[in-house]
Amino acid sequence: EIVMTQSPATLSVSPGERGTLSCRATQSVSSDLAWYQQKPAQAPRLLIYGASTRATGIPARFSGSGSGTEFTLTISSLQSEDFAVYYCQQYNIWPLTFGGGTKVEIK
Amino acid sequence: EVQLLESGGGLVQPGGSLRLSCAASGFSFSSYGMNWVRQAPGKGLQWVSGISGSSGSTDYADSVKGRFTISRDNSKNTLYLQMNSLRAEDTAVYYCAKGDSKWYFDCWGLGTLVTVSS
Repeated sequence: EIVMTQSPATLSVSPGERGTLSCRATQSVSSDLAWYQQKPAQAPRLLIYGASTRATGIPARFSGSGSGTEFTLTISSLQSEDFAVYYCQQYNIWPLTFGGGTKVEIK
Repeated sequence: EVQLLESGGGLVQPGGSLRLSCAASGFSFSSYGMNWVRQAPGKGLQWVSGISGSSGSTDYADSVKGRFTISRDNSKNTLYLQMNSLRAEDTAVYYCAKGDSKWYFDCWGLGTLVTVSS
């Protein structure tokens, strides 16, 4: 199976600053990469699919990039509601797999 | 509005069985693949199983293969997960998740908690 590795495990950022999250796959997944946001006691929410396409209703401060094995989620100016855990997921090859998550916390 | 509502979770002894259901509304259910994703307490997300919309083809994570069975009833807009031979490590919140044009998850239910313990 494809293993997805996210870094860092925890990202400490001040409100208004830029946050950059990374996701790496053990083999190419083309652009079949999604990002999700999960807040405590809530279900995950789709942010990005196709590596760079924002889902419906997602603010423009969220952007995704990359292809193959290296991907990045950038939050251009962190707002209070953005502090959460973020997961990447590949859907190129079954079984579908998630990364371990990056917790974005207030610095 | 797309809605997914899971039910059927609860406390079960090791070796026991449980069937989860997910009632879907607000979209053409038979046109989309559906999935189960779980999250153990304090842990990350793990895809469990998926089923295509029309052909009903299925796949499973290795950790549940042979023990869990996914199915759907398109006439009732309902997704199921039959879980047999349950183990302590199956304890998790189980989410129903809708696929889109590909196998990413554009809508999630609120989840149902399954606890496997004696």
